[in-house]
Amino acid sequence: DAKTTQPPSMDCAEGRAANLPCNHSTISGNEYVYWYRQIHSQGPQYIIHGLKNNETNEMASLIITEDRKSSTLILPHATLRDTAVYYCMGDRPGNNRKLIWGLGTSLAVNP
Amino acid sequence: DTGVSQDPRHKITKRGQNVTFRCDPISEHNRLYWYRQTLGQGPEFLTYFQNEAQLEKSRLLSDRFSAERPKGSFSTLEIQRTEQGDSAMYLCASSTGGLQYFGDGTRLSIL
Repeated sequence: DAKTTQPPSMDCAEGRAANLPCNHSTISGNEYVYWYRQIHSQGPQYIIHGLKNNETNEMASLIITEDRKSSTLILPHATLRDTAVYYCMGDRPGNNRKLIWGLGTSLAVNP
Repeated sequence: DTGVSQDPRHKITKRGQNVTFRCDPISEHNRLYWYRQTLGQGPEFLTYFQNEAQLEKSRLLSDRFSAERPKGSFSTLEIQRTEQGDSAMYLCASSTGGLQYFGDGTRLSIL
């Protein structure tokens, strides 16, 4: 499973885009990149995932570099409720799908 | 609410006591996972069920820990002879083989 590296913390102004980077240089060819977030005192919440192509859903966009060694999660208009710890991880389809979590990025959205 | 439900949300017990947590997954999800999370860390995989079969256990799951999923629906995690180091958030997740959906966890505090 891919080892991921994320900055420990980031700040973002409310209403601005939050761009959260993740390095996953050891990711294998069939391993998806998953993003979850965890708001204080709650369980992790799925955000988005992708393999090669950029992805967008109602929560966020995921930009994956062509070599797949890094990705960026974009929250287009951050709100105070987006303050959370954001985790990226690799997940290989077909295995037990257990998730291997790093330390994540603690995002603070400021008014 | 049809999400993953965990009970209790908080448990305080004395060292040496036994505790049991319950997880009710999303209906029809055949996979169920237990994770443990200590303060400032990402979740760590403990064990995984497919239906009623326990298919993988982490080395973190010492012989004081036992998990069951008797009818392939709800699951219980029991810790015997609790120790100070067992203090953590215990998270349950369920899936159909893809995305994992998490409960809000049981926070265990050992006095």
